[in-house]
Amino acid sequence: GQNIDQPTEMTATEGAIVQINCTYQTSGFNGLFWYQQHTGEAPTFLSYNVLDGLEEKGRFSSFLSRSKGYSYLLLKELQMKDSASYLCAVNVDSWGKFQFGAGTQVVVTP
Amino acid sequence: EADIYQTPRYLVIGTGKKITLECSQTMGHDKMYWYQQDPGMELHLIHYSYGVNSTEKGDLSSESTVSRIRTEHFPLTLESARPSHTSQYLCASSDLGSSSGANVLTFGAGSRLTVL
Repeated sequence: GQNIDQPTEMTATEGAIVQINCTYQTSGFNGLFWYQQHTGEAPTFLSYNVLDGLEEKGRFSSFLSRSKGYSYLLLKELQMKDSASYLCAVNVDSWGKFQFGAGTQVVVTP
Repeated sequence: EADIYQTPRYLVIGTGKKITLECSQTMGHDKMYWYQQDPGMELHLIHYSYGVNSTEKGDLSSESTVSRIRTEHFPLTLESARPSHTSQYLCASSDLGSSSGANVLTFGAGSRLTVL
């Protein structure tokens, strides 16, 4: 079956760095995506990895190791507005079907 | 600004009622999806469409139905709502032909349904 695991919750202070890990076992792999979802709002796209390595976009970076079925999202210089749920998702086929993790709730404290 | 719209945002109804959740996108995306999201749980795919007149059931068994008569519109209907249908329903669309090559999902803000 399909399985995507990520921690339920993480807490960090403003200005710090937090790393959210995601491990996956899926029937297919066509890219790994990270989405941010604030309470009561739509998930929004943060980053995408299809090849091994690190992708950097400003304060956010995402890493992928396909052989290990592992990814992480790195949030640097945390701000209060970064308090949100972060969803790890795998595109499992070329037609656009996704498998989502349950999300990691990040709480940023002053 | 191109976007994806869901109505209603919040709905409280009684058991046995028929409801339709509306979803429209202005981006011309071929693919559209309905996901169900409960607190602390992963998004579950309940329906998807690859284009006009194409609809498929997702991984999560659902008593709902969908239609795709126009590219921009993908409504979800529950013929007889039950308390077990209480959940958040998220609509999304994607365009595989995007410049990045990635199948990025654009989500609507969601419809929160409560069935009493």
